[in-house]
Amino acid sequence: DVQLTQSPSFLSASVGDRVTITCRASQSISTYLAWYQQKSGKAPKLLIYAASTLESGVPSRFSGGGSGREFSLTINGLQPEDFATYYCQQVNSYPRFPFGPGTKVDIK
Amino acid sequence: VQLVESGGRVVQPGTSLRLSCAASGFRFNDYGMHWVRQAPGKGLEWVAVILYDGTNRQYGDSVKGRFTISRDNSKKQVFLQMNSLRVEDTAVYYCAKELHSSYPTGLDVWGLGTTVTVSS
Repeated sequence: DVQLTQSPSFLSASVGDRVTITCRASQSISTYLAWYQQKSGKAPKLLIYAASTLESGVPSRFSGGGSGREFSLTINGLQPEDFATYYCQQVNSYPRFPFGPGTKVDIK
Repeated sequence: VQLVESGGRVVQPGTSLRLSCAASGFRFNDYGMHWVRQAPGKGLEWVAVILYDGTNRQYGDSVKGRFTISRDNSKKQVFLQMNSLRVEDTAVYYCAKELHSSYPTGLDVWGLGTTVTVSS
């Protein structure tokens, strides 16, 4: 089964910063990767699918990239509402859809 | 477009519980549906998926053989039957809808979650 890792697990940043989170897969998953944002006590929200396609309604400061085994989520110009935990998920068809361990973005 | 989970409660180890998820606002029988859980203070864990027509079901390793996912397209509901519950099954359980009907790309609609606590 594919395993996902994320780095860093925690990052401290300021409003206006550009931040990048990396997700690595244990084997190639082409571009079958999604990114989610989760705020404390809330359900996750889909940000990016197919590695780089922005979900409808998601601000353009969010972008995704990568293919194969290495992927990235970048936030250009961090906003106060972006402080949250971010997860990647492999969606390479069946039989498993694992999530990465998460990256918490906190206020510096 | 909405998903509403129900059925979570406090139960003892070894017992069973059935969660339900009611869907509205979209063509339910066109989409695969998932259950995802989150233990207190932990990350997201994918639990199970069922194909749009119920013909294919898959499970995460930690629940395989104990949990069963099912759906009733006539009632626009998806279920998670949980047997032989363990303390480590304690979590908020979310149901979620696949973004696209043709193939998995991500989960675009999530419920608010229902809390299952397994404790003696």
